[in-house]
Amino acid sequence: ETGVTQSPTHLIKTRGQQVTLRCSSQSGHNTVSWYQQALGQGPQFIFQYYREEENGRGNFPPRFSGLQFPNYSSELNVNALELDDSALYLCASSLTGQDTQYFGPGTRLTVL
Amino acid sequence: QQQVKQSPQSLIVQKGGISIINCAYENTAFDYFPWYQQFPGKGPALLIAIRPDVSEKKEGRFTISFNKSAKQFSLHIMDSQPGDSATYFCAASRGGSYIPTFGRGTSLIVHP
Repeated sequence: ETGVTQSPTHLIKTRGQQVTLRCSSQSGHNTVSWYQQALGQGPQFIFQYYREEENGRGNFPPRFSGLQFPNYSSELNVNALELDDSALYLCASSLTGQDTQYFGPGTRLTVL
Repeated sequence: QQQVKQSPQSLIVQKGGISIINCAYENTAFDYFPWYQQFPGKGPALLIAIRPDVSEKKEGRFTISFNKSAKQFSLHIMDSQPGDSATYFCAASRGGSYIPTFGRGTSLIVHP
């Protein structure tokens, strides 16, 4: 059984660019959630996907968008990057109806 | 609005000592309270979790104490070890949402 994996590990972009982050959920998990973790802070919920549809969203602007694919993997897209988007982006997978989430190692995004 | 308040921000303990981290929540609809452990460069990993129908849960050296009337819960690490040095996050989620709200984290250092 493989855990949650994310790619890339690190990424450097400039302000105004667009970025796509990827996540493969733990085997059998059909729900994927994305979080933004700023330095020294707890993870902040961005959105959750279930059955390829957004199933809840935190307080993030529309330039943060996502996809979930039939194999439950997921993408997080961020358009018009801002300096404050620099953070660790975490993906977590879970089974629908269960509270426990399993986190991936994250993607460290730096916006210059 | 910070729905889950965590303290202290940092904690230094000697090997063999007891580490205590406290959290308080505001939303009485929360019914699942996990603690996560995060090492540098890694995603958070579930350590232990509790529901409000019990006042204490113990797993090995880790214990959660829960006070429903005070809306507080705490993590106790007995016989703290240098390998426990990490950042600890409390979280809370409400039934049906399965989306945790995280505290800001506690950086624990255990000196040998």
